[in-house]
Amino acid sequence: NAGVTQTPKFQVLKTGQSMTLQCAQDMNHEYMSWYRQDPGMGLRLIHYSVGAGITDQGEVPNGYNVSRSTTEDFPLRLLSAAPSQTSVYFCASSWGLAGSETQYFGPGTRLLVL
Amino acid sequence: ELKVEQNPLFLSMQEGKNYTIYCNYSTTSDRLYWYRQDPGKSLESLFVLLSNGAVKQEGRLMASLDTKARLSTLHITAAVHDLSATYFCAVDSGGSNYKLTFGKGTLLTVNP
Repeated sequence: NAGVTQTPKFQVLKTGQSMTLQCAQDMNHEYMSWYRQDPGMGLRLIHYSVGAGITDQGEVPNGYNVSRSTTEDFPLRLLSAAPSQTSVYFCASSWGLAGSETQYFGPGTRLLVL
Repeated sequence: ELKVEQNPLFLSMQEGKNYTIYCNYSTTSDRLYWYRQDPGKSLESLFVLLSNGAVKQEGRLMASLDTKARLSTLHITAAVHDLSATYFCAVDSGGSNYKLTFGKGTLLTVNP
């Protein structure tokens, strides 16, 4: 199993550009989520999904869109990048919906918006 | 709104010493998680605590949960350099969905 994979590893964008951060898992996990990590802030939940076709907002959803057409993939779209979106983005997945299982994190995508 | 507070945020300790990291949270929850992050790396799960009084141990690390006090501790015994990392606690806000709120992390440095 590859676990949770994320692409790209690094990305530089100009303000106003759009892009999609890819996340995939091969563990047949129902639950997937996106976090951003900023220095001194811990991780903050952006969006999450409890299964294909079902998504919901987390703590900091503004400026980001998600969709979940398959169990395996959960892409995160930046519609119009802003410098405030400079961050490290982590995708995570887990078996359960009731919180009894640990989440597995991907390697992260480092994004710089100029 | 669930708030999660870790302290200390920075911890420098000598090898062989013991210390405790504290994680306080603001609303009722009986699901708490500890993660480790090495510099420039992803997060690795350490412990999943799912009930009041839960205690789990792995090597030199032991985690416990007191849901009545809304407090979890991560105790380090006889620290070694390899334990140097950032440690995060995360609390589940409850319900049928799995929404974690993370603390800001504790940067642990173990010096020889």
